[in-house]
Amino acid sequence: NAGVTQTPKFQVLKTGQSMTLQCAQDMNHNSMYWYRQDPGMGLRLIYYSASEGTTDKGEVPNGYNVSRLNKREFSLRLESAAPSQTSVYFCASSEGGTNQPQHFGDGTRLSIL
Amino acid sequence: QKEVEQNSGPLSVPEGAIASLNCTYSDRGSQSFFWYRQYSGKSPELIMFIYSNGDKEDGRFTAQLNKASQYVSLLIRDSQPSDSATYLCAGGGAGSYQLTFGKGTKLSVIP
Repeated sequence: NAGVTQTPKFQVLKTGQSMTLQCAQDMNHNSMYWYRQDPGMGLRLIYYSASEGTTDKGEVPNGYNVSRLNKREFSLRLESAAPSQTSVYFCASSEGGTNQPQHFGDGTRLSIL
Repeated sequence: QKEVEQNSGPLSVPEGAIASLNCTYSDRGSQSFFWYRQYSGKSPELIMFIYSNGDKEDGRFTAQLNKASQYVSLLIRDSQPSDSATYLCAGGGAGSYQLTFGKGTKLSVIP
């Protein structure tokens, strides 16, 4: 019963490097989300995909791109990493439709030097 | 801008007591509310959701919603040290796929 799986769990990058964070869910959910969590800032939405084939910006999309590869997978790409992107990144999914609970993966701890 | 406000705490309660966690929200159109528990270094875990005014109980947890006052609360009865965590409140707006999260309240249950 995996739920939402994120890879990698930890990563250290140098400024300017690129990287893709992977997320897959096995709950047949329609909607998927990427958040970042920083001390004192709470969870902030980066991008979301309401359904397969659609993506939309959240609160803090600058510096990121996303791809909804299929119904199961939703990836987050940092094209040119910056120290300000050091954070814990969480992927979440929900059944779809509005006002649905979201279920989170274990997170990726990303440090950019 | 939609906001969800929580007291950051820490809120300390003795073991066996009732812990009361509170949340206010700015968007009158919000229709759904969620409580997540997050242990240090772990991911948020859904523990309760509530859509209607009033109380909703699940084991030791009770969620309360008052839409007129734009207020949501979570009561934890018979608090245990294992309940020590940060509790996140989130609200969903009308017709929205997005949730707005509060910054969380840190709860410490003292044995």
